[in-house]
Amino acid sequence: SAVISQKPSRDICQRGTSLTIQCQVDSQVTMMFWYRQQPGQSLTLIATANQGSEATYESGFVIDKFPISRPNLTFSTLTVSNMSPEDSSIYLCSVRQNEKLFFGSGTQLSVL
Amino acid sequence: GENVEQHPSTLSVQEGDSAVIKCTYSDSASNYFPWYKQELGKRPQLIIDIRSNVGEKKDQRIAVTLNKTAKHFSLHITETQPEDSADYFCAAGGVGGANSKLTFGKGITLSVRP
Repeated sequence: SAVISQKPSRDICQRGTSLTIQCQVDSQVTMMFWYRQQPGQSLTLIATANQGSEATYESGFVIDKFPISRPNLTFSTLTVSNMSPEDSSIYLCSVRQNEKLFFGSGTQLSVL
Repeated sequence: GENVEQHPSTLSVQEGDSAVIKCTYSDSASNYFPWYKQELGKRPQLIIDIRSNVGEKKDQRIAVTLNKTAKHFSLHITETQPEDSADYFCAAGGVGGANSKLTFGKGITLSVRP
């Protein structure tokens, strides 16, 4: 299975600031996905990051709040912009390989 | 879009008993159904999956069954052990390409009593 490295693993941020989360995969993948998991909740898809084109956002998520970069087939970033306490969550990048979905280790974000 | 319902939300079983977790989905176009186990503070881990052209799949103590007509699928864990205690999530979606995204159920917390 793909090895997915994500950083930072956790961060505590002030309201109004932005945080960029990095995701590195050990092999080339066509699609990368960013999920959010709020405390005690399920996994909600934020967007699909496609190399060479704009990310595709799910209902309720917008590019201004969660800009995504995908410069190549092994790397992506998710920025959480103008943060508020409601953004406190775990953010997970994931990739599909041979139809199976694998997750990175996650970034636990706390916004004060 | 796809909607995945998972029930119950919590389940407690005695060690050695079986556990069954059920999910329903709404989109008849979905053809891939994985199950994930998430231990506290860790990433979700794929434990078993099934494609729509198969009715059942088994891997040691874990099995998944799919009923396409009724749009539901279930995870079966036999001879449960304390280390099976975790959150379990079902998902539904496509196998790849434009239909690559997966929609997850709300999850269930399984507790195995020693």
